[in-house]
Amino acid sequence: DADVTQTPRNRITKTGKRIMLECSQTKGHDRMYWYRQDPGLGLRLIYYSFDVKDINKGEISDGYSVSRQAQAKFSLSLESAIPNQTALYFCATSDTMKPQYFGPGTRLLVL
Amino acid sequence: SQQGEEDPQALSIQEGENATMNCSYKTSINNLQWYRQNSGRGLVHLILIRSNEREKHSGRLRVTLDTSKKSSSLLITASRAADTASYFCATDWKGSQGNLIFGKGTKLSVKP
Repeated sequence: DADVTQTPRNRITKTGKRIMLECSQTKGHDRMYWYRQDPGLGLRLIYYSFDVKDINKGEISDGYSVSRQAQAKFSLSLESAIPNQTALYFCATSDTMKPQYFGPGTRLLVL
Repeated sequence: SQQGEEDPQALSIQEGENATMNCSYKTSINNLQWYRQNSGRGLVHLILIRSNEREKHSGRLRVTLDTSKKSSSLLITASRAADTASYFCATDWKGSQGNLIFGKGTKLSVKP
């Protein structure tokens, strides 16, 4: 089984809808991250969490919220989706100062 | 922005040739990491080089780091068609609490 899983893998939604992307990991890492990737722009950090009680905003948190339900689970919500949130979303996990392990990504299209 | 920048943006070579990608960054770092991404898939960690290291090898990969020039290079020797992917550098910069800043990537195409 994959170490980092994301659901759904693909999602089409309409402007104004609330959606949730979920991430689970079996690595036992404390740190979890949400990124978005747009063509030609690399990855940008949305939110990160160093443990269940420690959640922080990243570079582009506006329009997003997160929930760390357990060490292994970190969810990203778009409260009211808009078309410019169309992107590829990645969850990642790591130990402190160690490489990050990425999930397979969720491709989101907001119409 | 502390974002790293890769150069070139795209690189096309023949199988068997070497591929060199460069990364420049702006601030002091704890370490620099290289990741690979096959089209539309998750990133895979390749190699991590610490700020006090100058060169590191892993199989056909060779990474160098020059902190005085704030730059790093990734060399893939004897490339294969399966090396076709995008390659990203990511900096763990001092004060980042371990968060990474990713560059925009180099898209490598290896023709059989």
